[in-house]
Amino acid sequence: EVQLVESGGGLVQPGGSLRLSCVASRFTFSTYWMTWVRQAPGKGLEWVANIKEDGSEEYYVDSVKGRFTIARDNAKNSLYLQMSSLRAEDTAVYYCATGRYAFDIWGQGTMVTVSS
Amino acid sequence: SSELTQDPAVSVALGQTVRITCQGDSLSTYYASWYQQKPGQAPLLVIYGKNNRPSGIPDRFSGSTSGNTASLTIAGAQAEDEADYYCNSRGRSGNHLVFGGGTKLTVL
Repeated sequence: EVQLVESGGGLVQPGGSLRLSCVASRFTFSTYWMTWVRQAPGKGLEWVANIKEDGSEEYYVDSVKGRFTIARDNAKNSLYLQMSSLRAEDTAVYYCATGRYAFDIWGQGTMVTVSS
Repeated sequence: SSELTQDPAVSVALGQTVRITCQGDSLSTYYASWYQQKPGQAPLLVIYGKNNRPSGIPDRFSGSTSGNTASLTIAGAQAEDEADYYCNSRGRSGNHLVFGGGTKLTVL
């Protein structure tokens, strides 16, 4: 079964940093655009960022631009989201998903809580 | 505010047909995709492109677009279809993606 597994979430103070990881299995990771989507508690889905198959293009929602960096390591079938200068409004479940415009395979999500 | 607008809640009687809509300027150019999300679960893609269903999605789910409004139609709604439904599409810039605010579907 194709799978994405996120990790790296947790409690972090405002202004702090966190690195999320997403490991893919049972599909050819290197042939997919990859995306991060987040969902604040009790709220809707929000697209965060995506990255091209070879890592040569990346795009971000305005609210995280300059603070978050998406990256991938195709040799390790892994996707990352480096988050810095975290704010309370970044509190959410973060999902990784395959695809650029439509998101087919999703992970189970990892919770990030920004609080003092 | 989201570039894609959805009704917050819709209800349907068991076995009846329901349409969930998503409105936005970008939909006159780009197709919407639709996701089903049940409590405590990750979203599930149900419709993408013009009207495509991923493997395993029942054929009672269909998609369409008219002008700047995309629609997800569930023909013969089942109890297990009760969930939140989100649309997404490309934003005004083309390279950015946006989601609608979501529609909570209740099957009566």
